[in-house]
Amino acid sequence: QKEVEQDPGPLSVPEGAIVSLNCTYSNSAFQYFMWYRQYSRKGPELLMYTYSSGNKEDGRFTAQVDKSSKYISLFIRDSQPSDSATYLCAMSADSSYKLIFGSGTRLLVRP
Amino acid sequence: NAGVTQTPKFQVLKTGQSMTLQCAQDMNHNSMYWYRQDPGMGLRLIYYSASEGTTDKGEVPNGYNVSRLNKREFSLRLESAAPSQTSVYFCASVPWGQETQYFGPGTRLLVL
Repeated sequence: QKEVEQDPGPLSVPEGAIVSLNCTYSNSAFQYFMWYRQYSRKGPELLMYTYSSGNKEDGRFTAQVDKSSKYISLFIRDSQPSDSATYLCAMSADSSYKLIFGSGTRLLVRP
Repeated sequence: NAGVTQTPKFQVLKTGQSMTLQCAQDMNHNSMYWYRQDPGMGLRLIYYSASEGTTDKGEVPNGYNVSRLNKREFSLRLESAAPSQTSVYFCASVPWGQETQYFGPGTRLLVL
């Protein structure tokens, strides 16, 4: 069993939809949680970072962490075709910043 | 400020050949990382360097070596390439005291 599980998709939604992306994990020591966006043939770029549990909002993006359920989510409101990319969750247990990544979910937002 | 740069962008090797992937960052970051990305596997850590002069193994170090030449540069070497090392390789760096990893554009490697 992988330490971090992520549905590979692809997830296809119409423009303007609310998108929910999720990851589950098995290591209860994880404290740092991140979401990266990766466009085709590019390097990942950080979207959201959360420490421990709770919610964090940044514009159209909201990250949620539920440590009791070992479950994290990224919500995208009013999705745009430019949001079409692969979304990777990542997490770490300590300050060594050795991240464990999910396999990524491909998102396609149709105009 | 170029951020994280990687060379080459694309490389084809024959089995048994050696090569070095180069990574450099101009953001004065302390930590640097090498990952490989394969379909369905996500990003897997090969080696990392917490600071100049130190290196440590990650999840999949076999078949690779690294050198932290100075604070800016972190190279990844394949001594005898194998088809299983066909992948996209990403370098990343982290500023001191932060958790955010900044990624380079990647090197696509094909081993025949």
